[in-house]
Amino acid sequence: GEEVAQTPKHLVRGEGQKAKLYCAPIKGHSYVFWYQQVLKNEFKFLISFQNENVFDETGMPKERFSAKCLPNSPCSLEIQATKLEDSAVYFCASSQSYQPQHFGDGTRLSIL
Amino acid sequence: GQQLNQSPQSMFIQEGEDVSMNCTSSSIFNTWLWYKQDPGEGPVLLIALYKAGELTSNGRLTAQFGITRKDSFLNISASIPSDVGIYFCAGHLQTGANNLFFGTGTRLTVIP
Repeated sequence: GEEVAQTPKHLVRGEGQKAKLYCAPIKGHSYVFWYQQVLKNEFKFLISFQNENVFDETGMPKERFSAKCLPNSPCSLEIQATKLEDSAVYFCASSQSYQPQHFGDGTRLSIL
Repeated sequence: GQQLNQSPQSMFIQEGEDVSMNCTSSSIFNTWLWYKQDPGEGPVLLIALYKAGELTSNGRLTAQFGITRKDSFLNISASIPSDVGIYFCAGHLQTGANNLFFGTGTRLTVIP
């Protein structure tokens, strides 16, 4: 498609439950990025993929967060055993190599 | 942590006025990007800058890549009500990492 599609738009989970977010990048873009936007609008980089391979995971919390980009499937970001502090808007972006990143509209995750 | 200092944090201006905001960093950047984010949506790319000293316009928007490669500014001329939103600077560090580092945002309010 011509835009980054993220689903769901809103996700509510009880503390300790699992949350899974999806992202379909722009067709032809080989890089996918996940960012977390928290209070005060701060963006935190989580992980990037080049096609289905992890490119940079330096921002990923090691214990509960995982992500995948499999061929012919939307990319996914999964959080196990969610905590209150995981409440945020999660954005996916895609790009051609070192070209500007284009963002989806995000998934608002609320942990109760 | 945050690599970019963006100012001002917020601005209240009359319709028709010009606006200027800037980003500074202690690190050298290879690219500077300016995005606008509306409530409930993802950042939308406004202008991309690739070379030190580059001055680029997009309609009423003008942005410059600082000579030192550590700063950038965005100007909006003759503001209109739809300019309301949060503006973010972002960039790729000289280190070659392809994830974006974001400024803290400038919230613009335009008074009709």
